[in-house]
Amino acid sequence: GENVEQHPSTLSVQEGDSAVIKCTYSDSASNYFPWYKQELGKRPQLIIDIRSNVGEKKDQRIAVTLNKTAKHFSLHITETQPEDSAVYFCAPNTGGGNKLTFGTGTQLKVEL
Amino acid sequence: EAQVTQNPRYLITVTGKKLTVTCSQNMNHEYMSWYRQDPGLGLRQIYYSMNVEVTDKGDVPEGYKVSRKEKRNFPLILESPSPNQTSLYFCASSLGGARTNYGYTFGSGTRLTVV
Repeated sequence: GENVEQHPSTLSVQEGDSAVIKCTYSDSASNYFPWYKQELGKRPQLIIDIRSNVGEKKDQRIAVTLNKTAKHFSLHITETQPEDSAVYFCAPNTGGGNKLTFGTGTQLKVEL
Repeated sequence: EAQVTQNPRYLITVTGKKLTVTCSQNMNHEYMSWYRQDPGLGLRQIYYSMNVEVTDKGDVPEGYKVSRKEKRNFPLILESPSPNQTSLYFCASSLGGARTNYGYTFGSGTRLTVV
């Protein structure tokens, strides 16, 4: 199947610092790149997405950057807060666009 | 309120006893999908449906069945559950249709334990 890798698998930052999570994919036909946040015991929720005709997208403290040539995209969170603590998943579309393939997740911990 | 509703939230069953997990969405989405979530493995797709009467296998379809007789409903059927199907299951829907380039809306999840 399509290969999607996330790094790092765990990330611990101090409140107010920035966090960056990188996602690498193998399907050259992928053209949709979302990030999901899953808090403990909750469902995954879409927090930001980008399409392949755009290199960067921002929404307040979060941003996503895309390097389609290198087949990776990254989630950037600035001025982190304790409520940012969660597992984050990248999920590029794959299989001709018929599905989202999720990475294995990054556990982000924001410490006071 | 726009939502995806899954039932039940928790289920403990015995090996071999057929069960169905229901999923319903009220957003008129064409695309629906089932995922299972296991520690260290992320979310893996079981089956998906691009429209009524159109279903296809995902990455881990063995031991599962689905049907899509109506646009709003997409039940997951385990004909003969086994302990390796113990997992957290999520149903999701999307506006995407034939190309999934819209975000998914997930249900609340069903935690299934097979003993």
